[in-house]
Amino acid sequence: DGGITQSPKYLFRKEGQNVTLSCEQNLNHDAMYWYRQDPGQGLRLIYYSQIVNDFQKGDIAEGYSVSREKKESFPLTVTSAQKNPTAFYLCASSIDRSSGNTIYFGEGSWLTVV
Amino acid sequence: AQSVAQPEDQVNVAEGNPLTVKCTYSVSGNPYLFWYVQYPNRGLQFLLKYITGDNLVKGSYGFEAEFNKSQTSFHLKKPSALVSDSALYFCAGLVSGTYKYIFGTGTRLKVLA
Repeated sequence: DGGITQSPKYLFRKEGQNVTLSCEQNLNHDAMYWYRQDPGQGLRLIYYSQIVNDFQKGDIAEGYSVSREKKESFPLTVTSAQKNPTAFYLCASSIDRSSGNTIYFGEGSWLTVV
Repeated sequence: AQSVAQPEDQVNVAEGNPLTVKCTYSVSGNPYLFWYVQYPNRGLQFLLKYITGDNLVKGSYGFEAEFNKSQTSFHLKKPSALVSDSALYFCAGLVSGTYKYIFGTGTRLKVLA
């Protein structure tokens, strides 16, 4: 099946700990994105990548880091600098950044600070 | 500033009745507009999009949306609601020539049996 796979579905982080959320896609899409979803606030863009070995900060990049070493993979690290990381994280991809392309989403990962 | 607004946090409708979920946009240039649905604990599923052409766009699961340039709106509609349509709906806009998808805050649709 083609799609976007996020893992793990649930992750718990202790104070001061870095954690990494995995995102893999087999759609052969060039562009990949990470969004954070909080209740009542919609989706906010953390990072995006248009091509391998290149990525750009979104609106709320502080406390997060990413890498794009392979076309199909775009992992997100939530660092200890992110003071309020409890949220639902969504990975997405689109064919490229041409206008009008649909963005498709993975099933999401819950991160909770304990 | 570019923005997408969903003025209703929640919409309640009786099963079998028509439903409308509202969206207005402020996106420069020719707007590209999308609707997504999210079920609890799941990712967003694409329903439909408007790029150009016919103002009435048909999508998945019997949903359609009407693009109205003069009112800068892109309301989602369905002629006959199902209980299974109950979910969180997001409207999104894409600034022409960029990567930047702008999402509304979501509208929770509740279809009552």
